[in-house]
Amino acid sequence: GQQVMQIPQYQHVQEGEDFTTYCNSSTTLSNIQWYKQRPGGHPVFLIQLVKSGEVKKQKRLTFQFGEAKKNSSLHITATQTTDVGTYFCAGRMTGGFKTIFGAGTRLFVKA
Amino acid sequence: EPEVTQTPSHQVTQMGQEVILRCVPISNHLYFYWYRQILGQKVEFLVSFYNNEISEKSEIFDDQFSVERPDGSNFTLKIRSTKLEDSAMYFCASSSRQANQPQHFGDGTRLSIL
Repeated sequence: GQQVMQIPQYQHVQEGEDFTTYCNSSTTLSNIQWYKQRPGGHPVFLIQLVKSGEVKKQKRLTFQFGEAKKNSSLHITATQTTDVGTYFCAGRMTGGFKTIFGAGTRLFVKA
Repeated sequence: EPEVTQTPSHQVTQMGQEVILRCVPISNHLYFYWYRQILGQKVEFLVSFYNNEISEKSEIFDDQFSVERPDGSNFTLKIRSTKLEDSAMYFCASSSRQANQPQHFGDGTRLSIL
């Protein structure tokens, strides 16, 4: 079946270090969305990428969508303690409404 | 800013009982979704709903599950005969007039089956 793999599962960083999480889909995606979930909270939408090779930035966050629209990454520059949480990618399958979430990467930031 | 609201925040139910989880999507949104998240695991797609019918559902969404939009504002998920493994956080989400728009999630209902 359709799968979206996300790595790593956990990442511990020192405040100020960079962080990257990667997603890879078994099938070509219509778009990919990124969400952040704080412990005990709900997924909060960060960004959506639609075009092949698209790169978007939000302050210290850089999002990329691969040329084949099957992989994506989120990079945080100079992490802060407020960045802690789980980052999920979510791939929208082509031609449908189904959104497949990756397993998430939980980010821990040590001050 | 408009929000998706879900009630109750926590539901405790005996195994075998029916449960209804309620959601009020953002008012001008047309696409509605249910997801579940077992503690510590990923968010899993259950069903999408558009134009008063199910547009897509996952393997998880079997005959025990049903969704309904009984009026112009509520969107409900019913589980007919709950099982222990139904214990999870259930999130409702909605998105706007176009299908490929971001989904806005509610705070979720924590369902505990005893």
